[in-house]
Amino acid sequence: QQPVQSPQAVILREGEDAVINCSSSKALYSVHWYRQKHGEAPVFLMILLKGGEQMRHEKISASFNEKKQQSSLYLTASQLSYSGTYFCGTEGAAGNKLTFGGGTRVLVKP
Amino acid sequence: DVKVTQSSRYLVKRTGEKVFLECVQDMDHENMFWYRQDPGLGLRLIYFSYDVKMKEKGDIPEGYSVSREKKERFSLILESASTNQTSMYLCASSLGGWGTEAFFGQGTRLTVV
Repeated sequence: QQPVQSPQAVILREGEDAVINCSSSKALYSVHWYRQKHGEAPVFLMILLKGGEQMRHEKISASFNEKKQQSSLYLTASQLSYSGTYFCGTEGAAGNKLTFGGGTRVLVKP
Repeated sequence: DVKVTQSSRYLVKRTGEKVFLECVQDMDHENMFWYRQDPGLGLRLIYFSYDVKMKEKGDIPEGYSVSREKKERFSLILESASTNQTSMYLCASSLGGWGTEAFFGQGTRLTVV
């Protein structure tokens, strides 16, 4: 079952913050985050593991709440380069297939 | 840098045609994947392969097959293309299993008319 991402889309001004959530109805072992810029391939941002620490990619950080079966991606002081679609992928147990959410479109305006 | 190359960026095929989508990676990765990307549905796994000649069904394998004769090449085959297979197809590879970083190709936008 696909994880649910929210919001589906967000528009920001440069320098503003945003949070993207990824929720699953099942227990999670890991959560992966990717960003896809328009017309480009998805690019890996980070993996969060059960029991692991909060991760960071430049000024983008993420947390993983195992009890809530949810991960949050924090876009801090957003830059124009943060525009794109963000996907979370969830792994229910070590070695299980990765299942991606529907994506969150982010547009950062000057 | 890891490079995953898909043979075509755009393809237009007729209903009923047999379609081959080719993917090549240059980093000796064990695992290769084919995803389908549709608006609002994200990336859905069609098939994956963890070794030469090995393949496993993903979440939406119906209407598709795959071939992996060499480690670096993973082909997606639409045996008889239908209009509901019009989509963006993404190939990916990874060195390790599901818990490792995947590298994606730029995608093939297939239109079936």
